[in-house]
Amino acid sequence: KNEVEQSPQNLTAQEGEFITINCSYSVGISALHWLQQHPGGGIVSLFMLSSGKKKHGRLIATINIQEKHSSLHITASHPRDSAVYICAVKNYGGSQGNLIFGKGTKLSVKP
Amino acid sequence: NAGVTQTPKFRVLKTGQSMTLLCAQDMNHEYMYWYRQDPGMGLRLIHYSVGEGTTAKGEVPDGYNVSRLKKQNFLLGLESAAPSQTSVYFCASSYSAVSYEQYFGPGTRLTVT
Repeated sequence: KNEVEQSPQNLTAQEGEFITINCSYSVGISALHWLQQHPGGGIVSLFMLSSGKKKHGRLIATINIQEKHSSLHITASHPRDSAVYICAVKNYGGSQGNLIFGKGTKLSVKP
Repeated sequence: NAGVTQTPKFRVLKTGQSMTLLCAQDMNHEYMYWYRQDPGMGLRLIHYSVGEGTTAKGEVPDGYNVSRLKKQNFLLGLESAAPSQTSVYFCASSYSAVSYEQYFGPGTRLTVT
């Protein structure tokens, strides 16, 4: 079983829809990261959180430490949001600094 | 600031050839990482460094070597390339290990024939 599981694997939405991507993990963590990988391949960090909720523009990330679950929400989705969204966790027992990555959720937003 | 840069962006190698991928960062970060990304799999850590002159193995280190002679540079070497090393390689850096975001380079697409 993978230590970081994302759902769904693929998601197609219409412009304007509210989108939720889920991440579940099985290890104790010190932080959880949400990353965005553009169609061109570049990877950008969106959020890093260890508790509660963070908001940046139309993006909201939440984490429930007790349930070992995080969600990434996109409000008023737009075609430019089309990308792969990756969840990654920093676990207590792992090598210094490295992250454990999920396989990603491919989002396609249609106009 | 350029952030994290990688050279080259693309490369095709024949089996058995060697090459070095260069990662450079201008953010004075202590930690640097090399990952590989393969279809259907999450990013996997190859090697990492917690400071100048130090390196350590990650999840998939076999067939690769690294060096961190200068704080800003982290080199990934393939001594004898194999088709199984066909992948996209990403370098990343962070200020510290705990609860700091990682900044990624643009990636290097390597094909070994």
